[in-house]
Amino acid sequence: KAGVTQTPRYLIKTRGQQVTLSCSPISGHRSVSWYQQTPGQGLQFLFEYFSETQRNKGNFPGRFSGRQFSNSRSEMNVSTLELGDSALYLCASSLGQGSETQYFGPGTRLLVL
Amino acid sequence: DQQVKQNSPSLSVQEGRISILNCDYTNSMFDYFLWYKKYPAEGPTFLISISSIKDKNEDGRFTVFLNKSAKHLSLHIVPSQPGDSAVYFCAASRMIKAAGNKLTFGGGTRVLVKP
Repeated sequence: KAGVTQTPRYLIKTRGQQVTLSCSPISGHRSVSWYQQTPGQGLQFLFEYFSETQRNKGNFPGRFSGRQFSNSRSEMNVSTLELGDSALYLCASSLGQGSETQYFGPGTRLLVL
Repeated sequence: DQQVKQNSPSLSVQEGRISILNCDYTNSMFDYFLWYKKYPAEGPTFLISISSIKDKNEDGRFTVFLNKSAKHLSLHIVPSQPGDSAVYFCAASRMIKAAGNKLTFGGGTRVLVKP
């Protein structure tokens, strides 16, 4: 079975721009969660999507949004980028039956200049 | 408010010896715990998990112990190998479908296994 894939792997943007990141979960997994990793804040939960609906949300501003498609693939969007948005963005997938093991993709490294 | 804490930012151990990583949590609603291993610029790799109905789970060289009364869990790696050198994250969640899939992570412990 293929693992979680994320595209692109690396991205450079400037302040004020917007960015869209993509995640394809493991086949059969219906839950996709997004996390942000920064040196200062560690690994923080952004949001989770299940059956095309946002089921859970972390403490991030509204500039961070996401969606999930009928094939469980997910995208996250960050608008009006700030320097502090530079981070490793990780996507994780799971079956979606409750608290269970989440399997992570390789991440997208975003640098905001 | 940090609900999951790993108080040791780093650990150095000799190859072949035991590595013990510790994790404390404050939220009594957490009832499912996981350990992940992470290399720089890569996603976390799942190692082992434990639910609150157990106090020990073992998988090969990895054993996780859970002390619910102390809100403490630990990961034992025996024997430690140079390839185990990485950052290890403890994570916690609630085992209720309605709660969704939110992992709360500790700050990580960097392990260095010396040959």
